[in-house]
Amino acid sequence: NAGVTQTPKFRILKIGQSMTLQCTQDMNHNYMYWYRQDPGMGLKLIYYSVGAGITDKGEVPNGYNVSRSTTEDFPLRLELAAPSQTSVYFCASLRQGKAYEQYFGPGTRLTVT
Amino acid sequence: GQQLNQSPQSMFIQEGEDVSMNCTSSSIFNTWLWYKQDPGEGPVLLIALYKAGELTSNGRLTAQFGITRKDSFLNISASIPSDVGIYFCAGQNSGGSNYKLTFGKGTLLTVNP
Repeated sequence: NAGVTQTPKFRILKIGQSMTLQCTQDMNHNYMYWYRQDPGMGLKLIYYSVGAGITDKGEVPNGYNVSRSTTEDFPLRLELAAPSQTSVYFCASLRQGKAYEQYFGPGTRLTVT
Repeated sequence: GQQLNQSPQSMFIQEGEDVSMNCTSSSIFNTWLWYKQDPGEGPVLLIALYKAGELTSNGRLTAQFGITRKDSFLNISASIPSDVGIYFCAGQNSGGSNYKLTFGKGTLLTVNP
């Protein structure tokens, strides 16, 4: 298994541009999550999904959108990039079962200038 | 929302020393998790704790789930240079919360060879 994969690894955007951060997992996990990590801070939940077709807001959803058309993929969309969205973005997945543990991808480092 | 206080914020130790860090919460959790993050990587799960009072080891790492369910600690014995990184605690409630994680802000560990 490749686990959780994210693309791209790095990206620079201009203010007002849009982009999609890709996340894919090959573990057949039901639950998927998007976090952002700012310097010196823990991870903050942006959006999450409990299965294909179902998504919900986390703690910091403003400025982002998600979709979950398949079990494997959970893309995160930035429509009008702002400097405040400069951050490192992590995707994670979890399979409901005995071990309720989230597994993280390697992250996407995004800079908005 | 729930808050996690993780301390210390940073530690600078000599190789071979033992390390202790802890996390306290304003509310209870059903599960405590400890993650390590290497530079440029996503968090990697170290230890998961599921029961109040539980003490679990993973090699040189030992973690405990506080009896009040509002705290947890992580010990690293005989530190080595590859222990360098950021350690995060995370609390989780199962079921109705959709396994969302609340993260501490992290403890930055530096090990001097």
